Amino acid sequence: DTAVSQTPKYLVTQMGNDKSIKCEQNLGHDTMYWYKQDSKKFLKIMFSYNNKELIINETVPNRFSPKSPDKAHLNLHINSLELGDSAVYFCASTPSTGVGYTFGSGTRLTVV
Amino acid sequence: EDQVTQSPEALRLQEGESSSLNCSYTVSGLRGLFWYRQDPGKGPEFLFTLYSAGEEKEKERLKATLTKKESFLHITAPKPEDSATYLCAVQTGSNDYKLSFGAGTTVTVRA
Repeated sequence: DTAVSQTPKYLVTQMGNDKSIKCEQNLGHDTMYWYKQDSKKFLKIMFSYNNKELIINETVPNRFSPKSPDKAHLNLHINSLELGDSAVYFCASTPSTGVGYTFGSGTRLTVV
Repeated sequence: EDQVTQSPEALRLQEGESSSLNCSYTVSGLRGLFWYRQDPGKGPEFLFTLYSAGEEKEKERLKATLTKKESFLHITAPKPEDSATYLCAVQTGSNDYKLSFGAGTTVTVRA
């Protein structure tokens, strides 16, 4: 199936730990994104990569570091996790025109 | 900074009871306005893109319209399967293609 797939779907971890979320798309898109959805369901852009190049880096703590090994993959590594990092993180991709976002099904991160 | 406000926050409808959702926006250089549907535990699913004032698009029981300041999503004769959170987002005239979302309207349709 053509899609944007994220792993893991659920992640429960303790404060201070380091964790990674992986994202892969097989749509042939050039641009990939990470969005964060908080408890009020408000979706906000975090990062964007176009052909492995960082395009958007919103006001996000530098504990969050995206990595794009190739244009089909965009991973998110989070250091020293805090309670406030608990949210659902969505990966998405678009073609180079920026039209036609496809979202993954999300990773629910819970920091305890 | 782009601002997108959706109202109401929640909407409870009886099956067959038509209604409208509002999305008002303040942006510089609208490139496109998007409507998405989000079911619990899933990612947003694309519904419509509107590019200019006066434009309308339809899909089954849903119809989206756009003016210079707001967009409406009309749900005609809704069914229980239309229950979801509907998200509005804008894309502005920059090169980064990011979407700025509203907080969503959660629609519940009772049989």
